[in-house]
Amino acid sequence: RKEVEQDPGPFNVPEGATVAFNCTYSNSASQSFFWYRQDCRKEPKLLMSVYSSGNEDGRFTAQLNRASQYISLLIRDSKLSDSATYLCVVNTRFYGGSQGNLIFGKGTKLSVKP
Amino acid sequence: DADVTQTPRNRITKTGKRIMLECSQTKGHDRMYWYRQDPGLGLRLIYYSFDVKDINKGEISDGYSVSRQAQAKFSLSLESAIPNQTALYFCATSDIGKQGDEQFFGPGTRLTVL
Repeated sequence: RKEVEQDPGPFNVPEGATVAFNCTYSNSASQSFFWYRQDCRKEPKLLMSVYSSGNEDGRFTAQLNRASQYISLLIRDSKLSDSATYLCVVNTRFYGGSQGNLIFGKGTKLSVKP
Repeated sequence: DADVTQTPRNRITKTGKRIMLECSQTKGHDRMYWYRQDPGLGLRLIYYSFDVKDINKGEISDGYSVSRQAQAKFSLSLESAIPNQTALYFCATSDIGKQGDEQFFGPGTRLTVL
């Protein structure tokens, strides 16, 4: 099982649609979770962190289920500018608390059409 | 001005040539990383450095070497380039502390090895 797996996509949706991305991770010791956004031929940028209690930032909602080792991202009222690849990212800290490294999923491409 | 810069942005070279990719940052971060991104494979960690005296291998370090010349500079070398090293290379930085998990990426270097 790969460390971080995402829906392969691509997702092609009309403007205004609601779209959900799913991600699973294999290491139960993982401690930090994120969604990054990557535009075509650009660098990845942090979209939002994901917390156990769930968190929302405008049209974006992220959820974490530690028991199922599952992360989700919901985009409501999608805009043309949301077209990008969305990367699920997990950090597994080393024992003792030092920072681990980020493990990136392969990404899911979203295309929002007019 | 960009916080994380990479030079060159594009490079075409021939098999067997030595290539150096450079990364500089003005964020004052201690931690720096080199990744490569290939279609269908996502981002993979090559090397990382938690401070000037610290160098660690990542997932795919074979064929690469790095040098951390200063806190702000981290260079990646391909001693003898081969075609399967054709990829998009990203440098990233992160800080120690509460927000330490977020990584900030440079704009990338597109390398083609003929």
